[in-house]
Amino acid sequence: DAGVIQSPRHEVTEMGQEVTLRCKPISGHDYLFWYRQTMMRGLELLIYFNNNVPIDDSGMPEDRFSAKMPNASFSTLKIQPSEPRDSAVYFCASSFSGLLMMGNQPQHFGDGTRLSIL
Amino acid sequence: AQSVAQPEDQVNVAEGNPLTVKCTYSVSGNPYLFWYVQYPNRGLQFLLKYITGDNLVKGSYGFEAEFNKSQTSFHLKKPSALVSDSALYFCAVYSSYKLIFGSGTRLLVRP
Repeated sequence: DAGVIQSPRHEVTEMGQEVTLRCKPISGHDYLFWYRQTMMRGLELLIYFNNNVPIDDSGMPEDRFSAKMPNASFSTLKIQPSEPRDSAVYFCASSFSGLLMMGNQPQHFGDGTRLSIL
Repeated sequence: AQSVAQPEDQVNVAEGNPLTVKCTYSVSGNPYLFWYVQYPNRGLQFLLKYITGDNLVKGSYGFEAEFNKSQTSFHLKKPSALVSDSALYFCAVYSSYKLIFGSGTRLLVRP
């Protein structure tokens, strides 16, 4: 399997622009997670989906952030308008709940999108 | 609330020496615990997990972790460190279908 695929790997844009990050989870996985990593705040969970439905978005910092999962093989994280403090590495991860329908299976991470807002 | 703590920001060891990266947890009920490693410009990679059973869990790349219920700890260990083990290590606890990560510990293995 190709693993979790994120695009783009790097994004540099100016403040105020719309940014869209993309994620393709591992085929067959039913959970998808979006994280943000910064030096100051470490690794933060932004939102996660189960079977394409958003379950918990309490980590989304502001209304400028939105995430969608239109189907089992694709998710987007959008920032509009972007601000310099949004600069971070954004990770997508997916996991399979398993035969016991429990979520404690390992999450598989993509290599992230390094976002720089000027 | 479920949480994990990694008390050391950085651990330095010499190649060939044993290494320990510490993690303590706070959970209600039985803990499900994980270790991940992050290399530069890469995502987190799963190393090992404890769900139940033997307190010594073996994982990838020769790593193992010891679950200690009385001390609420889940320390990561390796008998002989390699320079290539230098990376950022995260401990995590499972909680309601998501993982709660610690702040991470940077491991530096010097030749």
